[in-house]
Amino acid sequence: GESVGLHLPTLSVQEGDNSIINCAYSNSASDYFIWYKQESGKGPQFIIDIRSNMDKRQGQRVTVLLNKTVKHLSLQIAATQPGDSAVYFCAENTHTGRRALTFGSGTRLQVQP
Amino acid sequence: DAGVIQSPRHEVTEMGQEVTLRCKPISGHNSLFWYRQTMMRGLELLIYFNNNVPIDDSGMPEDRFSAKMPNASFSTLKIQPSEPRDSAVYFCASSLRREATYNEQFFGPGTRLTVL
Repeated sequence: GESVGLHLPTLSVQEGDNSIINCAYSNSASDYFIWYKQESGKGPQFIIDIRSNMDKRQGQRVTVLLNKTVKHLSLQIAATQPGDSAVYFCAENTHTGRRALTFGSGTRLQVQP
Repeated sequence: DAGVIQSPRHEVTEMGQEVTLRCKPISGHNSLFWYRQTMMRGLELLIYFNNNVPIDDSGMPEDRFSAKMPNASFSTLKIQPSEPRDSAVYFCASSLRREATYNEQFFGPGTRLTVL
């Protein structure tokens, strides 16, 4: 797999701490949002999604929060592990019209042992 | 499932040469997407197909780029002639699109293209 060394905002956390990664989206018509994780040398990998009729969704160790008022999305990772180190992208989509994802610029998460 | 398969994984070519990138989507998926990832522009959509038909190619940078999907299990992205600014990682993704639902996309491992 491949990835590029983007000059990204970086979040550095200690192993075991909780991580919060934020994303501002642009299209008020977006009604579906996804978080992807991209490890070095690999393609983006789906983590969790949320529809606009929800404001919170939980997965295994991850929670996504959606605030439509301010067009803000966040990804919370509980008990962060070294394997969580990666670049995280949010993506938005509408279920009508141009049905393709628009990706944010990404945040690099570094987990310190 | 083997996931989305891309080839080659690395391609180094000289300016002016033709480059062809290949993608095999996940079996049963009916939508296929080509993305380009660069340091400057991040991850950007080039084109996507639904049921082998190009739906939106507004992201294709210029006429040097073309994409085809002759059948449900194969797609190509061609650059002719290639230029150094085309150097990037190119990803293919596929999804199962249903009307009025949402499309989780599965990405391939990418092709790193270097144009000298």
